[in-house]
Amino acid sequence: GAGVSQSPSNKVTEKGKDVELRCDPISGHTALYWYRQSLGQGLEFLIYFQGNSAPDKSGLPSDRFSAERTGGSVSTLTIQRTQQEDSAVYLCASSSFGATEAFFGQGTRLTVV
Amino acid sequence: QKEVEQNSGPLSVPEGAIASLNCTYSDRGSQSFFWYRQYSGKSPELIMSIYSNGDQEDGRFTAQLNKASQYVSLLIRDSQPSDSATYLCAVKGQAGTALIFGKGTTLSVSS
Repeated sequence: GAGVSQSPSNKVTEKGKDVELRCDPISGHTALYWYRQSLGQGLEFLIYFQGNSAPDKSGLPSDRFSAERTGGSVSTLTIQRTQQEDSAVYLCASSSFGATEAFFGQGTRLTVV
Repeated sequence: QKEVEQNSGPLSVPEGAIASLNCTYSDRGSQSFFWYRQYSGKSPELIMSIYSNGDQEDGRFTAQLNKASQYVSLLIRDSQPSDSATYLCAVKGQAGTALIFGKGTTLSVSS
């Protein structure tokens, strides 16, 4: 596709349920980022994939959060046993190898009720 | 822990004035610096990139970098109400490291 695609655009889930958020990066981009943005706050770094290297998971807030990237393309962010404080917009971005500008998807708004 | 600091604002300027936004970063090894603009309810969009000391100009926007002071700034000349948004500073270290954002500065341009 022409840009970074995220799905779903909105997700409402009950506390305690697991959710999966999907990111389809720009074709050919080797780097992929996940960020979380709570209402009125900045972008909180979660995880970074670069090619076949081990991902930088240093931003994941707890072991309830995990992410994988299959075939160097699509990525899935999984939140287990969701809590109300997980409510936020989850943004995915990608960039090409050697270039460092990152381009964002439209985000997934997660609401935990 | 790599940190990027910005004044949260709001920064209020009248239409036609120069808006000056500032950012400091903690990792002296940082190599790439970016300014993103984020309108309310939208995703961040890249507006400026700068990689070496000095100024980088693009239309009404000028990014300034001083690596010795670990300081990046964004100047917006002839500010317009449409410039009202949150401006995010982002910093990246060497290849293979993550892009880290500041919390953003909210700019309000009044007509």
